[in-house]
Amino acid sequence: DTAVSQTPKYLVTQMGNDKSIKCEQNLGHDTMYWYKQDSKKFLKIMFSYNNKELIINETVPNRFSPKSPDKAHLNLHINSLELGDSAVYFCASSQVATQGYTEAFFGQGTRLTVV
Amino acid sequence: KNQVEQSPQSLIILEGKNCTLQCNYTVSPFSNLRWYKQDTGRGPVSLTIMTFSENTKSNGRYTATLDADTKQSSLHITASQLSDSASYICVVSAAGGSYIPTFGRGTSLIVHP
Repeated sequence: DTAVSQTPKYLVTQMGNDKSIKCEQNLGHDTMYWYKQDSKKFLKIMFSYNNKELIINETVPNRFSPKSPDKAHLNLHINSLELGDSAVYFCASSQVATQGYTEAFFGQGTRLTVV
Repeated sequence: KNQVEQSPQSLIILEGKNCTLQCNYTVSPFSNLRWYKQDTGRGPVSLTIMTFSENTKSNGRYTATLDADTKQSSLHITASQLSDSASYICVVSAAGGSYIPTFGRGTSLIVHP
């Protein structure tokens, strides 16, 4: 009965590869997010989708492309992986975005290591 | 530029002791401030959220305070337990626009038996 689940939990891949991380939430929330947490534990928002529509797109290389097939899923595809992409990526969801930042529920994270 | 600064960066205390974590922010206009707890290898979990009109909020042994005038918040943990060992992250959201939250770098708390 996991609220926000992401797969895989660990991902080790070589530079230049393309990879995807999947995220699903069963909370009925309207908004989903992708965050990146670097080695210094700093969380930074990357993208936010509200009802399958992109509403936040921070300064992220265009090698990163989010895709939301429906409001319960937000996948992250990364092309041409670089060493600097190594980090923990968190998916999150919340009920609304336009009325303020309500409580976000986070997934367990995907630890991406690019070698 | 919106910023959230947390102190101390890390803290070690003995089980049963109290501690206070600090958060200063420059986010404007202010919408809300939230404290998250992040256990190692897990995603952050919300502890409290406060809006402009609230100056204190409790969640069990966790009590958060907010001074919107000085733009400071604190998280007080009472009678610490080993399970309190985690990173505590302060997050401040600005009003208007897309409400992009600004995260602090967190305070790493270690509780020793």
